[in-house]
Amino acid sequence: AQTVTQSQPEMSVQEAETVTLSCTYDTSENNYYLFWYKQPPSRQMILVIRQEAYKQQNATENRFSVNFQKAAKSFSLKISDSQLGDTAMYFCAFMINNNDMRFGAGTRLTVKP
Amino acid sequence: NAGVTQTPKFRILKIGQSMTLQCAQDMNHNYMYWYRQDPGMGLKLIYYSVGAGITDKGEVPNGYNVSRSTTEDFPLRLELAAPSQTSVYFCASSYGAGSQPQHFGDGTRLSIL
Repeated sequence: AQTVTQSQPEMSVQEAETVTLSCTYDTSENNYYLFWYKQPPSRQMILVIRQEAYKQQNATENRFSVNFQKAAKSFSLKISDSQLGDTAMYFCAFMINNNDMRFGAGTRLTVKP
Repeated sequence: NAGVTQTPKFRILKIGQSMTLQCAQDMNHNYMYWYRQDPGMGLKLIYYSVGAGITDKGEVPNGYNVSRSTTEDFPLRLELAAPSQTSVYFCASSYGAGSQPQHFGDGTRLSIL
């Protein structure tokens, strides 16, 4: 089964602090891509960061970075220096066969002032 | 730059009615996708297309049909609306497959009563 599990339905963090969102996945494929998407209350889906499974180096994008552990099938997202605008739902996803995208159920992150 | 445009934004249907959700992109992307997002859940892939004239099923295609006669447009058709199809529908497009980022529309909220 191709599944994504986000075990933290809700999280909160103080402004300027660091928070890590967890994600594990299950696939028998060897080649796939991993993503984190952000969905603010506006409902728009915004790509935060992506990682190719064949790359060992963890992806970073400004304040966002991932910890990709392929053997453990884990793909966590770290947000540094949290800002109020980071408040949103965060979805972990992976893509197999170049087009089949599977999403987790999401983590609702609240950044508190 | 309009990006991905979905119409309508909201719609209420009666059981058994039919309707077409419109999706258009102006980025000359070959790849287009339809997802549904049920309350409190992540997105699930309904159908996708890798180019004009080519469509394929995703994870949850039952009850839906698509067509892709042009690069720009990718309409989603519900033939006999059922309450289980109450959801928010997102259309997305990408330049290529795999790690290429998907650009999402703002979604269509559909309620079937």
